[in-house]
Amino acid sequence: DTGVSQNPRHKITKRGQNVTFRCDPISEHNRLYWYRQTLGQGPEFLTYFQNEAQLEKSRLLSDRFSAERPKGSFSTLEIQRTEQGDSAMYLCASSLDWQPQHFGDGTRLSIL
Amino acid sequence: DQQVKQNSPSLSVQEGRISILNCDYTNSMFDYFLWYKKYPAEGPTFLISISSIKDKNEDGRFTVFLNKSAKHLSLHIVPSQPGDSAVYFCAAKGGANNLFFGTGTRLTVIP
Repeated sequence: DTGVSQNPRHKITKRGQNVTFRCDPISEHNRLYWYRQTLGQGPEFLTYFQNEAQLEKSRLLSDRFSAERPKGSFSTLEIQRTEQGDSAMYLCASSLDWQPQHFGDGTRLSIL
Repeated sequence: DQQVKQNSPSLSVQEGRISILNCDYTNSMFDYFLWYKKYPAEGPTFLISISSIKDKNEDGRFTVFLNKSAKHLSLHIVPSQPGDSAVYFCAAKGGANNLFFGTGTRLTVIP
């Protein structure tokens, strides 16, 4: 069990650029989640996959955000035309069915 | 609209004493609750959970209590150890297994 892996750990980009993050879940986990955490807040749910199917999306996930999980393994989260307000820690979690979610260490995004 | 609230941003406790972290929720449809611990520069780590059909769950030094009528849960750590110093998040599970988190309580255990 190598845990949930997220890359990169840090991303600094200019406003208006596109960014993509990757998450590798625990191998036997069929569910994968993306959360966003800003300073002083708890993680906020963005979206959820069961295998390759994206089953739920939060209203926080604007049309500039897209997530994929091809073949039900790793997942990518892309943000297009980044804005200052996108600066946050992006956390990925995975679980086996309804069992507790296990989180990665996150990708910290800073928008200049 | 914060559905899970942790009203104490910080708590300091002497080593060996009990730490009590509190959490309140507003949505009566929540059926499963979890506590996560977070160290700096790391993701949240699952600590303990409780189903809404129970009022207590214990795992070693950690016990979670659930009072459904008050929509309140608490995490007890006894005895507290310096390594327990971290930010603790309370979370509640929604219908699709997505979690609603509180804003966290920073616990400091003083040696």
